[in-house]
Amino acid sequence: GAVVSQHPSRVICKSGTSVKIECRSLDFQATTMFWYRQFPKQSLMLMATSNEGSKATYEQGVEKDKFLINHASLTLSTLTVTSAHPEDSSFYICSARGSGISYNEQFFGPGTRLTVL
Amino acid sequence: GENVEQHPSTLSVQEGDSAVIKCTYSDSASNYFPWYKQELGKGPQLIIDIRSNVGEKKDQRIAVTLNKTAKHFSLHITETQPEDSAVYFCADGGTRGGATNKLIFGTGTLLAVQP
Repeated sequence: GAVVSQHPSRVICKSGTSVKIECRSLDFQATTMFWYRQFPKQSLMLMATSNEGSKATYEQGVEKDKFLINHASLTLSTLTVTSAHPEDSSFYICSARGSGISYNEQFFGPGTRLTVL
Repeated sequence: GENVEQHPSTLSVQEGDSAVIKCTYSDSASNYFPWYKQELGKGPQLIIDIRSNVGEKKDQRIAVTLNKTAKHFSLHITETQPEDSAVYFCADGGTRGGATNKLIFGTGTLLAVQP
């Protein structure tokens, strides 16, 4: 149980284009999903928290107009990197927290490697 | 704000030896502490967690201890195997039913198990 998938696993795009990453909870309903980015040899940095049916809450310093998050259902959240630039190249990871869970148990997806040329 | 210190940053052990990774947190109200294992190019996997109503939890070769007074918790891996090699992250998971859902991660420990 508690499986989270991400698609695509890796993507290469040209500077200025937009990229959409999907995060799905496969066997549970996720009322809350989280998006992280991770640079090489560093820890995970939380970008935003999204609750199903409401606007995402962004961490300080994360541009909400650049990183668009949609959490349209209890099993799907998407992150769109708009007008991507080389500095946006990173490993993007989502996690999901199930409904009715009292402790902060989060299950992570396998990550998406974004390379912007 | 809340933070989590994790030590050591790198750890090399011989196969069969034990490995211990320690974390210290700052928010005395926190009561949930997960540990994640991240292999190269993959997402973190929850390997064990502990809640503050117990001082120790064990799952086969992995155990976690918690000292709420000192605000630190540790991961213990016994009889290490090469496949245990990975980066391990501890996290402060906040309070049960708390307003925040954030995980505050440690800086990670690169464990290398030498065959």
